[in-house]
Order: sequence, then C-alpha cells, then structure tokens
Amino acid sequence: EIVLTQSPATLSLSPGERATLSCRASQSVSSYLAWYQQKPGQAPRLLIYDASNRATGIPARFSGSGSGTDFTLTISSLEPEDFAVYYCQQRSNWQYTFGQGTKLEIK
Amino acid sequence: EVQLVESGGGLVQPGRSLRLSCAASGFTFDDYAMHWVRQAPGKGLEWVSGISWNSGSIGYADSVKGRFTISRDNAKNSLYLQMNSLRAEDTALYYCAKAGVEDAFDIWGQGTMVTVSS
Repeated sequence: EIVLTQSPATLSLSPGERATLSCRASQSVSSYLAWYQQKPGQAPRLLIYDASNRATGIPARFSGSGSGTDFTLTISSLEPEDFAVYYCQQRSNWQYTFGQGTKLEIK
Repeated sequence: EVQLVESGGGLVQPGRSLRLSCAASGFTFDDYAMHWVRQAPGKGLEWVSGISWNSGSIGYADSVKGRFTISRDNAKNSLYLQMNSLRAEDTALYYCAKAGVEDAFDIWGQGTMVTVSS
C-alpha cells in the first residue's frame, strides 16, 4: 500500500499570507495525485488533479506541483474561506489512499 | 444539477449487515467510475472501495476486503455498498464520490452515517 504523509499536521497563518502544504508518497505515484479541501460539516471538495491541474471553479490562488514522491499545494494569498483541512490522495491500480490531512488554521 | 445522495446508514450491532445506496442525478452515470470513502468521527478520509463504469474493475481497501461488496445498477443510476460482519471500527460517515478527470473524485454526496455498536 502506498502511504501518503502530509506536513505539517497544522499550519497557522494569517489572511493574505502564502501557504505551502506538503505531501510525500512512500513510492512513486507518477503525477496521479489530487488535493481536496474539507470544511467542518461539509463533504470534501476537489481542488487539484493530476498534481497540477485546477478543478473546475477553483480560484487561481490554488496551485499544485510535484511528481514522483514529493508534491506541494500552494495557496498564494490566503482568503478567510481557505482555512480548512486539506488532504492529498493518490491512485494506483485500483488502490487509493489519502494523506492524514493538514489543518490550515487562522493565526 | 449534479447530485449524489447516500442512504441506508444507521445504528447496527457488531457482526450484522447493512446496505448503503447512492442515487446519482444530473450526469451520465454509466460513463464514470464510482467510489465509497468513509470518515470516522474526528478523523481523516479513508477510501473504502471503487467500481469502474461497467463493473469490470473493482477495488477494496484491505480493511474491508472480504466483508464489503460494491456494486452498481446503471439502469437505476445507483451505487451500492453491502457491508457484512460489521465492526466498531467501521463506524463512520460514508460518502459516495464520482470519479472524473484522471480519476479524481470531483463530485461527493453529503454522506450517510453508520454506527456499529451494541
């Protein structure tokens, strides 16, 4: 099973700051990595697919990068609605795993 | 409007069974793979199972293999999860999700809660 490790577990920042979230895979997942945002009481929302492609309707301040085992989600300038939990996810031969999540909280 | 609506959750005793359903609308259901993802209270997301558009490919997480069975009925635009031999650790909110571009989960339901307790 491919394990995804996200860091940091919690990130405390202020609106307007830049956020950098990391996801590391235990083995290469090529570019088959997605990022999701989840707010309390809501279902997850797809942000990024295939490591760097924004999903429909996702603001340009969200960007993804990486390949192989190391991936990054960057939020260029935090808006109040961006404070949430973020998960990375990989797919490999009909086995999927999520990272444990990074909580982005207001400082 | 594209929508997924889960149902069938509830309180069940350990060792018993439950069947979850997911009704899809607003898109061509039989064009897409579908998945179940769960979230235990206060915890992260865990992929449970997935099924291809024609049921030709199916996958399960190791934690549910041999106990859960995923299926779909394209004529009814519905996805199912048969859960047998339920354990306390299966307690979670169960989401169904549609696989879109590059198999990322682009549409999610609001979830149905399963509680396994005596």
